[in-house]
Amino acid sequence: QKEVEQNSGPLSVPEGAIASLNCTYSDRVSQSFFWYRQYSGKSPELIMSIYSNGDKEDGRFTAQLNKASQYVSLLIRDSQPSDSATYLCAVNMNSGYSTLTFGKGTMLLVSP
Amino acid sequence: DTEVTQTPKHLVMGMTNKKSLKCEQHMGHRAMYWYKQKAKKPPELMFVYSYEKLSINESVPSRFSPECPNSSLLNLHLHALQPEDSALYLCASSQRDRDEQYFGPGTRLTVT
Repeated sequence: QKEVEQNSGPLSVPEGAIASLNCTYSDRVSQSFFWYRQYSGKSPELIMSIYSNGDKEDGRFTAQLNKASQYVSLLIRDSQPSDSATYLCAVNMNSGYSTLTFGKGTMLLVSP
Repeated sequence: DTEVTQTPKHLVMGMTNKKSLKCEQHMGHRAMYWYKQKAKKPPELMFVYSYEKLSINESVPSRFSPECPNSSLLNLHLHALQPEDSALYLCASSQRDRDEQYFGPGTRLTVT
């Protein structure tokens, strides 16, 4: 069974710190990887996509992909209380059509 | 612009009612999706339309009936639902299958 694993948290960090969110996936041939942020009661919001090994930076967010280790991570620098949300890792398992497999999400709490 | 709209925002219906959820996007995306999300769980894929054709039905009960009238619109017709069908129903779209998906705000459905 193809799976995406995330630590459910909560991950608690102080304001201004770096938050590190991790995700592993089981399907070695996966090609596309996404991070979504979801506030309580709201819909998921795409914040990062990554397709090749290495780092991808966008503002305070950096996504890191290591296909050999089947590992993708999201770093949030200078964390703010407004970053407190659930972060969903999603992987396109490359099974013909674009069916995202979601992890269960990691709740991030940033304290002032 | 990466906007997907959904109506209504909230819906309360009885088990004998028939109602419809609507989703619209004007980004020229050719793949559209319906997801169901229960509290503290990740989104679960229900249906995928690619180029206006139903390409994936994730064994969803027949009381849920999708329709794609054109490339910008997606409907989900509801009939004889059960209380356990109460959830947040999310629509998403992507440029093509396998691309990053953008979610609408969702419809919060309560079945009484």
